[in-house]
Amino acid sequence: EAGVTQFPSHSVIEKGQTVTLRCDPISGHDNLYWYRRVMGKEIKFLLHFVKESKQDESGMPNNRFLAERTGGTYSTLKVQPAELEDSGVYFCASSQDFRGAIYGYTFGSGTRLTVV
Amino acid sequence: GQNIDQPTEMTATEGAIVQINCTYQTSGFNGLFWYQQHAGEAPTFLSYNVLDGLEEKGRFSSFLSRSKGYSYLLLKELQMKDSASYLCAVRDARGYNKLIFGAGTRLAVHP
Repeated sequence: EAGVTQFPSHSVIEKGQTVTLRCDPISGHDNLYWYRRVMGKEIKFLLHFVKESKQDESGMPNNRFLAERTGGTYSTLKVQPAELEDSGVYFCASSQDFRGAIYGYTFGSGTRLTVV
Repeated sequence: GQNIDQPTEMTATEGAIVQINCTYQTSGFNGLFWYQQHAGEAPTFLSYNVLDGLEEKGRFSSFLSRSKGYSYLLLKELQMKDSASYLCAVRDARGYNKLIFGAGTRLAVHP
């Protein structure tokens, strides 16, 4: 089966611009997660969708970040306007069930965002 | 609070055994995961422990002690391709099972 796909793989934008990241989870995975890793730090949770509903968005840093998952398939994460501290690698992950107990959570390769 | 500690870097020799430790202090615990991540690639699932004890999967084994807040990943018969970052992550039972990650351990395997 195809894995979790993220687009673009790299993005360089200027401060104040808008960027939209996309994630296509494994087909049939109702649970979709966004995480990010800023330079030198650990990967941190941003939010969790179950189908099209936001189950937990406690990790979203501020209202410049907007995540959507219309139709419960792919998801987008928009940053508007981007700030320098938003630079990092944004990972998407999906799982068949919320526990991810047997197969874990499958991660995409990430989008490396650089804000200059 | 939430805190997961693991060594920043480790080195080992091809063919040897290496143990990567992870200690955690989290408000809720619902399982511990180990992931492997090569540079620029996706983290890939290695193991999952929710009960105390050892889980073995080929060359990789993972151990958990919930009372001590401690886990380790054991890699046997090291190969050059095992050079990667190893991420310890705890699933938070409180809030819809999100993962809380450690900063990762960079393992370098030398000939």
